[in-house]
Amino acid sequence: NAGVTQTPKFRVLKTGQSMTLLCAQDMNHEYMYWYRQDPGMGLRLIHYSVGEGTTAKGEVPDGYNVSRLKKQNFLLGLESAAPSQTSVYFCASDQGGTQYFGPGTRLTVL
Amino acid sequence: AQSVAQPEDQVNVAEGNPLTVKCTYSVSGNPYLFWYVQYPNRGLQFLLKYITGDNLVKGSYGFEAEFNKSQTSFHLKKPSALVSDSALYFCAVRDTNTDKLIFGTGTRLQVFP
Repeated sequence: NAGVTQTPKFRVLKTGQSMTLLCAQDMNHEYMYWYRQDPGMGLRLIHYSVGEGTTAKGEVPDGYNVSRLKKQNFLLGLESAAPSQTSVYFCASDQGGTQYFGPGTRLTVL
Repeated sequence: AQSVAQPEDQVNVAEGNPLTVKCTYSVSGNPYLFWYVQYPNRGLQFLLKYITGDNLVKGSYGFEAEFNKSQTSFHLKKPSALVSDSALYFCAVRDTNTDKLIFGTGTRLQVFP
């Protein structure tokens, strides 16, 4: 049981480049979330999904898109990266009220 | 607006001493409260939660938290700190309108040998 996994672990992008972060969970959880973590700001919710085929905006959705084509996967896309998107990104899944987090992706946008 | 606050950016404690990491919350209705720990370069790990029942909740690694409704607090405690407890601790509350978690800004716990 791997829990929640994220790929890649690290990435450096140039401004304007695009990329997709992958989150996978093997716990059959319905709810999945993408957060970003910045110093002194805790975790902020970007987008979330309450089930396969559904997505919704969180607190800071601008500049990001998501897809949940399969229940176990939740993808976060950056279409045109900006330096303000330099952050650590965490995925989480939730069943019964407790969230379980992946190890994170550290993204730097130059 | 519903919120959670961690008033201390950092807490320093000597190994073997008791520790407390503070959290206060503001929600409408009954609160669901959580504590998570984050070790360096790792994701958040669930420690414990309060939903209902006994005000003293026991969790992983010897941690416990006390729910105090009158003070709207949910402080994290441990009777005897270990150096390995040094990490970043997050308090969170479930927004009763949206069911999403609202996280505090985190408290860095440093336990000195």
